[in-house]
Amino acid sequence: DAKTTQPPSMDCAEGRAANLPCNHSTISGNEYVYWYRQIHSQGPQYIIHGLKNNETNEMASLIITEDRKSSTLILPHATLRDTAVYYCIVRGVSSGTYKYIFGTGTRLKVLA
Amino acid sequence: GAGVSQTPSNKVTEKGKYVELRCDPISGHTALYWYRQSLGQGPEFLIYFQGTGAADDSGLPNDRFFAVRPEGSVSTLKIQRTERGDSAVYLCASSSVGGETQYFGPGTRLLVL
Repeated sequence: DAKTTQPPSMDCAEGRAANLPCNHSTISGNEYVYWYRQIHSQGPQYIIHGLKNNETNEMASLIITEDRKSSTLILPHATLRDTAVYYCIVRGVSSGTYKYIFGTGTRLKVLA
Repeated sequence: GAGVSQTPSNKVTEKGKYVELRCDPISGHTALYWYRQSLGQGPEFLIYFQGTGAADDSGLPNDRFFAVRPEGSVSTLKIQRTERGDSAVYLCASSSVGGETQYFGPGTRLLVL
């Protein structure tokens, strides 16, 4: 599975858009990009995923570059409750498994 | 509907003891995954079940770790002769079928003294 690279930490002002980058330069054609977040002492929470096209749901938007080597998760109006560790995961099918390979994620702090 | 549940939420045991951790997946989900998360790290894959069978157990660290899912629903992760290094949060996730989005439970925090 492809590996991902994320900045270790970011700050964002409350009410502003939070843009979290992820590099996945070795991604293969059939591998999806998933984003999860983990608020302290909870299990990872699914946010969004995509293959090639940009995606939007009620939580966030996912922008994937045309060459698919990087992506950006956008939280349009960050709130204090969005403070969490955000994980970018590339998941495909390797030897018949669907395991996620997590990195260390980006610790987002939303500031009042 | 109900999400993934894990019991107990916290477990404290002594070195050398045996522990069992339980996972109740989302109803109807055929795929179930176990991960382990050490402090400050992202979760690490342990094992993946499709139905009753372990489709991938490549993440189990050694033969002290074993997991079962006898009826294709509830799963139990079993750790024999626990060591202090086994202390971590053990996370369970399920998906409708293999390859679909995984939904995680709150985890079991295991502390081995």
